[in-house]
Amino acid sequence: KQEVTQIPAALSVPEGENLVLNCSFTDSAIYNLQWFRQDPGKGLTSLLLIQSSQREQTSGRLNASLDKSSGRSTLYIAASQPGDSATYLCAVQGGKLIFGQGTELSVKP
Amino acid sequence: SAVISQKPSRDICQRGTSLTIQCQVDSQVTMMFWYRQQPGQSLTLIATANQGSEATYESGFVIDKFPISRPNLTFSTLTVSNMSPEDSSIYLCSLIGVNTEAFFGQGTRLTVV
Repeated sequence: KQEVTQIPAALSVPEGENLVLNCSFTDSAIYNLQWFRQDPGKGLTSLLLIQSSQREQTSGRLNASLDKSSGRSTLYIAASQPGDSATYLCAVQGGKLIFGQGTELSVKP
Repeated sequence: SAVISQKPSRDICQRGTSLTIQCQVDSQVTMMFWYRQQPGQSLTLIATANQGSEATYESGFVIDKFPISRPNLTFSTLTVSNMSPEDSSIYLCSLIGVNTEAFFGQGTRLTVV
């Protein structure tokens, strides 16, 4: 059974810092891994999708990597801003979409 | 990318009543998915809705409690029936796009009092 774990559960950083969010999964038989952002009480916004054959994807200040063999992914956020404050979820797709518990990020001005 | 319009965005309901959540998609999709996110938790899949057939429910979810309709390829509804405070959650609809990217509606924040 696929299990997805995100570390840390919460993170608070000052504005301008670079930061890394971690996601690990137990079954490497996945089609892809996706990172989402969720604002309080809202739906999910897709940030980055990494196909199983890819190693990384970049969008603006965001960079996500995937190491399928070790069951790990990281989301790197450069030059963090208060507007980045949200919960970040990773999800792996191997038939069904399985989510981690999320990392709640707070960026202080 | 796909655009999903979900409504209502939030509601406060009395216990014992039912609420129907609607999702409209801007393109035709074969499967739509309904998720529940309980307070402080991650997303749990409720069911998969195919057009023209009954929805497929995950373990722990039953059709009597969460009836789903899928009248066409762009629309689906989820009803939360005979609500109790334990049903207070965010409910989300989703689809998988042509490149396997998942898209979500804006969520329905349900509070049962």
